[in-house]
Amino acid sequence: GAGVSQSPRYKVAKRGQDVALRCDPISGHVSLFWYQQALGQGPEFLTYFQNEAQLDKSGLPSDRFFAERPEGSVSTLKIQRTQQEDSAVYLCASSSRDSTYNEQFFGPGTRLTVL
Amino acid sequence: QQQVKQSPQSLIVQKGGISIINCAYENTAFDYFPWYQQFPGKGPALLIAIRPDVSEKKEGRFTISFNKSAKQFSLHIMDSQPGDSATYFCAAIADGQNFVFGPGTRLSVLP
Repeated sequence: GAGVSQSPRYKVAKRGQDVALRCDPISGHVSLFWYQQALGQGPEFLTYFQNEAQLDKSGLPSDRFFAERPEGSVSTLKIQRTQQEDSAVYLCASSSRDSTYNEQFFGPGTRLTVL
Repeated sequence: QQQVKQSPQSLIVQKGGISIINCAYENTAFDYFPWYQQFPGKGPALLIAIRPDVSEKKEGRFTISFNKSAKQFSLHIMDSQPGDSATYFCAAIADGQNFVFGPGTRLSVLP
């Protein structure tokens, strides 16, 4: 079956633009996670959904970051008024169960470059 | 206290050698420790994981050693192969919290 897919794979934005990053999790996966991975660093947690409910958004770095998963499947991470420090790879992961302990399957990421 | 430290930052090993990557943590609430492997342009993939009630777990050429009292754990890759060349991340999680990843180790296995 298909794994986690993300689109676009690459995004270049001018400072101040809004961007939307899409994640298609593995079908039937309950949990969905967003991470930010800076160059040469490990992924850093942003937010976590269980079905359509956003249970944890403690990792979102500012109120310019917003995530949604309205039907409990596809998720969108939106960044408003992008800044250069937002440049990173944004990873999405999904898990089949409702526990954060279960194996997370990662997508290939979206590389965002803010000029 | 949420940080997971990882060393070395990069590692070069000859084919057939043993690769060893070390991680340390402070938060004693952590109770699940996975290792992820990431190839360029790909997302991380789970390699092997351990809970603190065991001191060692082996899966094929990959072994995790866990020292609860020292709050340290390590990944050993036996008979390292060029195809193992990737970035490796240790991670930790506590109940009700989310994964904390180490900064990563870039492994290069020379043919």
